[in-house]
Amino acid sequence: QKEVEQDPGPLSVPEGAIVSLNCTYSNSAFQYFMWYRQYSRKGPELLMYTYSSGNKEDGRFTAQVDKSSKYISLFIRDSQPSDSATYLCAMRGAGAGSYQLTFGKGTKLSVIP
Amino acid sequence: DGGITQSPKYLFRKEGQNVTLSCEQNLNHDAMYWYRQDPGQGLRLIYYSQIVNDFQKGDIAEGYSVSREKKESFPLTVTSAQKNPTAFYLCASSISPTLSSYNEQFFGPGTRLTVL
Repeated sequence: QKEVEQDPGPLSVPEGAIVSLNCTYSNSAFQYFMWYRQYSRKGPELLMYTYSSGNKEDGRFTAQVDKSSKYISLFIRDSQPSDSATYLCAMRGAGAGSYQLTFGKGTKLSVIP
Repeated sequence: DGGITQSPKYLFRKEGQNVTLSCEQNLNHDAMYWYRQDPGQGLRLIYYSQIVNDFQKGDIAEGYSVSREKKESFPLTVTSAQKNPTAFYLCASSISPTLSSYNEQFFGPGTRLTVL
């Protein structure tokens, strides 16, 4: 079993829809969780980050972590064509020994006008 | 304007040649990373460096080499020993993990390497 699982999609939604993107993980030591957005042929850009369990909201984006289920989500409200991109989750444990980020493979999202 | 630059954007290599990809950052970050991205494979870590003059192998270091002589620069050499080098290469940097628990990484625009 891979450490981080992410459905690659592609996921197509109409403009204005609510989008739910998800990752599951197996390493219970993961404490810090991030979401990146990557446009085609560009480098990933950091969207949001959360610590441990709970929700974090930033504009149309909400990141949610459920550590008991080892499940994280990114919700996009009122989706726009400009949200069309690949979304990668990333996570790491606590402490110097778990310095590196572990990435999901990414979910490709298309928002249709 | 702070950020990470990578050059060139596109690179073509003949089989048997070594090529060097450039990565420069002016964010004053201590740590730098090289990833390889292939379709359906996600990001795979090649090498990383936490401080100047020190670096460690990542998950797929074979056929690659790096140096870290300056804090701002972390060039990656793809050697002829790398059997399948055609990929999208991403450089990233992060502040020291002692200063940021998340170790959030910031990425450059990438270099697309094609072997002819």
